[in-house]
Amino acid sequence: SQKIEQNSEALNIQEGKTATLTCNYTNYSPAYLQWYRQDPGRGPVFLLLIRENEKEKRKERLKVTFDTTLKQSLFHITASQPADSATYLCALATNAGKSTFGDGTTLTVKP
Amino acid sequence: DAGVIQSPRHEVTEMGQEVTLRCKPISGHDYLFWYRQTMMRGLELLIYFNNNVPIDDSGMPEDRFSAKMPNASFSTLKIQPSEPRDSAVYFCASAREVTQYFGPGTRLTVL
Repeated sequence: SQKIEQNSEALNIQEGKTATLTCNYTNYSPAYLQWYRQDPGRGPVFLLLIRENEKEKRKERLKVTFDTTLKQSLFHITASQPADSATYLCALATNAGKSTFGDGTTLTVKP
Repeated sequence: DAGVIQSPRHEVTEMGQEVTLRCKPISGHDYLFWYRQTMMRGLELLIYFNNNVPIDDSGMPEDRFSAKMPNASFSTLKIQPSEPRDSAVYFCASAREVTQYFGPGTRLTVL
């Protein structure tokens, strides 16, 4: 069955450092991989989408890589700030419509 | 655009009562999703619609759950009768293609 694993439930880092979150998947051939941010008491918010034929995508301090051979995506936040503290979810989709979400990694950036 | 609108934001009810959750998707989006989120099970897809037609309801827990989408701007998720184990946050999301836009959620507590 399809499985998505995100690295350790919680990640704690110091302000200014780079946070790296991992998303691994098995039994899946996604055409799209997305990252969402979720704050307590709110719904997930879309951050970035990367397609299977793309290796890397950037948006401001965010960078996503997608390795379809390793079946892995890395999500980086450079120069992290306390305001980046949240839960980050990866989601995979084969086409428009249904996405499958991971359980998320909770990031805490300490000042 | 106002984003995805859900009502009510909070619902407290007693076991055995009927609960109706409502969702207004973003105009122009032809996909609508209902999710349930708990600490134990994460974000679970219950059902999704494309052009008002249910496409996949395999995530609906049991016959006590039903969902309708009578038109492109409105959907309901009904639980009858409700049970304490239904307590969770229920999210509605809409999409035009792959990226999903989530509502604020309805926090349901069944006593």
